[in-house]
Amino acid sequence: EIVLTQSPGTLSLSPGERATLSCRASQSVDSKYLAWYQQKPGQAPRLLMYGASSRATGIPDRFSGSGSGTGFTLTISGLEPEDFAVYYCQQCGDSPYSFGQGTKLEIK
Amino acid sequence: EVQLVESGGGLVKPGGSLRLACSASGFTFSKAWMSWVRQAPGKGLEWVGRVKSKTDGGTVDYAVPVKGRFTISRDDSKDTLYLQMNSLKSEDTAVYYCSYYYDSSNDPPFFDYWGQGTVVTVSS
Repeated sequence: EIVLTQSPGTLSLSPGERATLSCRASQSVDSKYLAWYQQKPGQAPRLLMYGASSRATGIPDRFSGSGSGTGFTLTISGLEPEDFAVYYCQQCGDSPYSFGQGTKLEIK
Repeated sequence: EVQLVESGGGLVKPGGSLRLACSASGFTFSKAWMSWVRQAPGKGLEWVGRVKSKTDGGTVDYAVPVKGRFTISRDDSKDTLYLQMNSLKSEDTAVYYCSYYYDSSNDPPFFDYWGQGTVVTVSS
């Protein structure tokens, strides 16, 4: 079972700043199956990135993803007010699939 | 328009059973890989399980905490996904989402459609 560990747990930044979120896997993940989700209170998750670095439909280009193996990063360049939310990485390559515990991005 | 509508949630006593349904429309359900994801109150997302399309083998896999207690099935003739939950525990209390996330016949194969969620509360 692959365990995903996200850091930091909470990230406090101001609009306009750059956010860097990390996702570390307990064993190698095929990057084709590494995704990032955003979730706001009371809403279902929204897919941001798939294949570690491909933006999902309608996701602005201030979101970017990178990484391979056991280390992956989601970067948000120039935070907008609507970006403050909880972010999860997920691997869906090896069963059982798994989510990280989440990073809360809050307004400083 | 893709729609996923869950039903069947509610209050159940520990040890009891519940069956959730996810009615799908707006896409070719038989080609879809479908998953169940849950979220306990104030907690993060937890993957529950997944069923592949029959074309891709129909394999079902489960998260460790639910394996042996939960059963995922699909009825492609009714465009409906099911989650049979037995031997329920208090820690199964959560919002349960169904998700259409993958179709191997598409390029790219990843999709992002979710139901509205249905609440399951396990309590005496």
